[in-house]
Amino acid sequence: DAGVIQSPRHEVTEMGQEVTLRCKPISGHDYLFWYRQTMMRGLELLIYFNNNVPIDDSGMPEDRFSAKMPNASFSTLKIQPSEPRDSAVYFCAVRRADYGYTFGSGTRLTVV
Amino acid sequence: ELKVEQNPLFLSMQEGKNYTIYCNYSTTSDRLYWYRQDPGKSLESLFVLLSNGAVKQEGRLMASLDTKARLSTLHITAAVHDLSATYFCAVRPTSGTYKYIFGTGTRLKVLA
Repeated sequence: DAGVIQSPRHEVTEMGQEVTLRCKPISGHDYLFWYRQTMMRGLELLIYFNNNVPIDDSGMPEDRFSAKMPNASFSTLKIQPSEPRDSAVYFCAVRRADYGYTFGSGTRLTVV
Repeated sequence: ELKVEQNPLFLSMQEGKNYTIYCNYSTTSDRLYWYRQDPGKSLESLFVLLSNGAVKQEGRLMASLDTKARLSTLHITAAVHDLSATYFCAVRPTSGTYKYIFGTGTRLKVLA
């Protein structure tokens, strides 16, 4: 069964600091997605990968954001430098054939 | 550009009542998903609708899909407090992309 583990669950950082969010999909997926959720903008797709290759990063808001997927079991989303407007819940999700997405538990990021 | 609209955005209803949430989308799609999100939690998959006329039911929730009208409904029967959550629909365009587009969400509150 494909599952998604995200870390950390909560992150509080100061403006200007680098933040790295992690995602470990367990197995059985071919696509991995990073979403951001805020009250004002809802769910926004940032980037997605197919077989570890970035396919569409048009949702990445600025050059401060970058994402990598070095292997099928690990992905990172990095923000450098972070800003208060980056505060949100960041979700990693994987596609399961005919079942849609399976979401991770999310990382709540607060930039002060 | 594919747009997915849900209505209502907010719904407050009494226990025991019936109601329907609507999900309209603007382009052709071959599958539609419904998700539930509890406050502070991740998104949980509820239904996958794969063809025109598809109907799925789980407990007090029933989802249907009309691809010709580009409309899906999520019907709630005899609501109970435990159904209080935010419900999202997500659409996969027939263009073949796995870049699902999420609706704005419907925040449901069931009053005891």
